[in-house]
Amino acid sequence: QSALTQPASVSGSPGQSITISCTGTSSDIGFYNHVSWYQQHPGKAPKLMIYDVINRPSGVSNRFSGSKSGNTASLTISGLQAEDEADYYCSSYTTASTHVFGGGTRLTVL
Amino acid sequence: EVQLVQSGAEVKKPGESLKISCKGSGYSFSTYWIGWVRQMPGKGLEWMGIIYPGDSDIRYSPSFEGQVTISADKSISTAYLQWSSLKASDTAMYYCARQYLTAKIDYWGQGTLVTVSS
Repeated sequence: QSALTQPASVSGSPGQSITISCTGTSSDIGFYNHVSWYQQHPGKAPKLMIYDVINRPSGVSNRFSGSKSGNTASLTISGLQAEDEADYYCSSYTTASTHVFGGGTRLTVL
Repeated sequence: EVQLVQSGAEVKKPGESLKISCKGSGYSFSTYWIGWVRQMPGKGLEWMGIIYPGDSDIRYSPSFEGQVTISADKSISTAYLQWSSLKASDTAMYYCARQYLTAKIDYWGQGTLVTVSS
């Protein structure tokens, strides 16, 4: 199965909003509402930011939000802060009963 | 507090075997799936497979089936990832994680760095 497609990089200035897209197929994102987003800082384990497309775990800032349309999911970060600079990965459950990650997006806060 | 503690870094030669571990605590280990995720140097996350320690039900990514073996011993709350014959291309960080079968990973181990070099 192919990895989900994410932009390699995005950037924004502090206080701005950015959106990271994650495109899959009708066998993963398009079929299930089981899209998750993870944040990974250099040298650290990933951290869950969004699950089941729109849900935020306890402790995650409400500046992070998720959405989905068709085969594409999106992560929006509003009010960008320096600490948001990290790699972001989407993930989806698939009709093959497996999971697949996106290739990752590096967010740079200018 | 939920914790997943992985075994330490390994340096191996091509052709050698290896088994790394992931010990869970702070929750009912038998009733949550444990997944394994590979991250090659400078690259992204790759989902390898998942095991339900309660009955050892296992699902593999097609990319990793036959290349690694996932197992668990619920009596000691530990999951394992093993290779019978390592290759240089197995050099990576390997994470275990508590994962819901169809959904999120909510807790991650600290990672085990495996280096395979002659």
